[in-house]
Amino acid sequence: RKEVEQDPGPFNVPEGATVAFNCTYSNSASQSFFWYRQDCRKEPKLLMSVYSSGNEDGRFTAQLNRASQYISLLIRDSKLSDSATYLCVVPNSGYSTLTFGKGTMLLVSP
Amino acid sequence: DAGVIQSPRHEVTEMGQEVTLRCKPISGHDYLFWYRQTMMRGLELLIYFNNNVPIDDSGMPEDRFSAKMPNASFSTLKIQPSEPRDSAVYFCASTEHGVRSVYGYTFGSGTRLTVV
Repeated sequence: RKEVEQDPGPFNVPEGATVAFNCTYSNSASQSFFWYRQDCRKEPKLLMSVYSSGNEDGRFTAQLNRASQYISLLIRDSKLSDSATYLCVVPNSGYSTLTFGKGTMLLVSP
Repeated sequence: DAGVIQSPRHEVTEMGQEVTLRCKPISGHDYLFWYRQTMMRGLELLIYFNNNVPIDDSGMPEDRFSAKMPNASFSTLKIQPSEPRDSAVYFCASTEHGVRSVYGYTFGSGTRLTVV
């Protein structure tokens, strides 16, 4: 299994929809995880940290399933401005740096 | 804080030329990372520094790539000679406390390199 794997998408959803992305990781010892957002031709920016079983921030909910080694990101009431690529981030196998997934592209349409 | 500052924003150069990318990390951040992003391979870690010392350069593709961090506020990534396959977006990122930081990494706006 790769260190981190994501469905590249794109996920095409209408405004107001709920959408969820999953990410699987290989390092069972990982303790901290992140979701980053990257807009077209911009740098990645931290969206959420994920600790324990999960985290919620407004319309965004991240959940962690350690037994199955996956992390999910749920976006409720999608906005046009949510259109971006979402990167799943986990510590590498040596727990020395962060490994970034290739990202899942989300397109929210009117 | 101004964030992580990279220069130049765009660089177009001819094959065989030397290219130098620059980065100023956030003040107080003791870790600095150089990443390369392409459509095919995503974000790849090239090298990282802790307290100005290179810790892991296993991601540097070959000897044509070199990186330095002469002080806590400045780092360079040099490619000599450059090749068309080096065309990518190069990001610099910094953080406190490394992988254990609860804030992840903060990225600069990147340098878009095109080698023709």
